[in-house]
Amino acid sequence: SQQGEEDPQALSIQEGENATMNCSYKTSINNLQWYRQNSGRGLVHLILIRSNEREKHSGRLRVTLDTSKKSSSLLITASRAADTASYFCATDGAAGNKLTFGGGTRVLVKP
Amino acid sequence: DAGITQSPRHKVTETGTPVTLRCHQTENHRYMYWYRQDPGHGLRLIHYSYGVKDTDKGEVSDGYSVSRSKTEDFLLTLESATSSQTSVYFCATATSGIDNEQFFGPGTRLTVL
Repeated sequence: SQQGEEDPQALSIQEGENATMNCSYKTSINNLQWYRQNSGRGLVHLILIRSNEREKHSGRLRVTLDTSKKSSSLLITASRAADTASYFCATDGAAGNKLTFGGGTRVLVKP
Repeated sequence: DAGITQSPRHKVTETGTPVTLRCHQTENHRYMYWYRQDPGHGLRLIHYSYGVKDTDKGEVSDGYSVSRSKTEDFLLTLESATSSQTSVYFCATATSGIDNEQFFGPGTRLTVL
């Protein structure tokens, strides 16, 4: 079973709009990460947020983490056509040396 | 890019044949991982390695074996391929197990007929 579950499964927005996707997980974590996957490519690491952090920014990305609700959100501001991709959250387990990925959110940014 | 290559990039094989996929890294990362990606399942961990000759099972290890005889290479073997193993396989590496930011290869598309 997947540790992380993303919501929504798919998202379609216009260029310039913000895109928000959510991730829920089941067990305690040390950190949560977000990755992007362009069609036909491998995943690329976007951002890591530790369990003692509540919010983190990187460029146009904003990630929040609520450990009491076991959930995280990824916000992409002022989206561009190049942001079209699938986005995955990943959580580590107690051992910390492996990740469990969610099913992903497919984002389509229309020009 | 973290210098991760996978070979072959595409392979079509028949049920019952052995298949070996290779992951090669030039970054001297300690950890290496094999995942499979299927529609509706995201990425699922098959096996991983935390050092030369040190490997462990992941979520979906049945029907797969791995070997790591040197830091830069991690091999995934399907001893007797089945149609259920048709998938896209990704290799990933990480420098440490603490933060575990992973770097991914380009993937291998395997079709078992």
